[in-house]
Amino acid sequence: LAKTTQPISMDSYEGQEVNITCSHNNIATNDYITWYQQFPSQGPRFIIQGYKTKVTNEVASLFIPADRKSSTLSLPRVSLSDTAVYYCLVGLTGGFKTIFGAGTRLFVKA
Amino acid sequence: DVKVTQSSRYLVKRTGEKVFLECVQDMDHENMFWYRQDPGLGLRLIYFSYDVKMKEKGDIPEGYSVSREKKERFSLILESASTNQTSMYLCASMPPSGTAQDKQYFGPGTRLTVT
Repeated sequence: LAKTTQPISMDSYEGQEVNITCSHNNIATNDYITWYQQFPSQGPRFIIQGYKTKVTNEVASLFIPADRKSSTLSLPRVSLSDTAVYYCLVGLTGGFKTIFGAGTRLFVKA
Repeated sequence: DVKVTQSSRYLVKRTGEKVFLECVQDMDHENMFWYRQDPGLGLRLIYFSYDVKMKEKGDIPEGYSVSREKKERFSLILESASTNQTSMYLCASMPPSGTAQDKQYFGPGTRLTVT
């Protein structure tokens, strides 16, 4: 199972773009990359998932280079409500035994 | 919207008690999961189930068991609660592998304190 490495914490200001990078050097050929967001006292919530290149939805963008050994979650123009923990996961779709890790705590300041 | 509910938000139990944590999902998902979350450790998978009466150990199954008698319900059992099982417990469900945007839907969590 591919483990992931993310920064423990990041600070940003409202209106800025935030990029959180995740390293997954041992990613397998069939593995997808998935990001979740977790607010205090709530369960994690799915943000975005991708296999290669770039994926964009209404919440975020996910950039995956050709070697797939890392990925970057991009949050455009963050607001105070984006303060949360962000988890990068690598695994087969199906989610069995995907590893959440400690995540990145993003703090958005006014 | 998928709804995953957990029987309690907060629970206080004594050492040695048998503890049941219940999780119910309303979307007919095959897959269900139990995690525990501790500060600095992220989420760790305890058990998962891919069908009724089927279960697989996760990364930290010691001290826990599970039951899945009905598709919508997945129970986590602490046979004899210990203080090191004080934690936030999160349940999740997920549709079958291969469906569009496989993702886990989480419940609100149960904060268990064992004294």
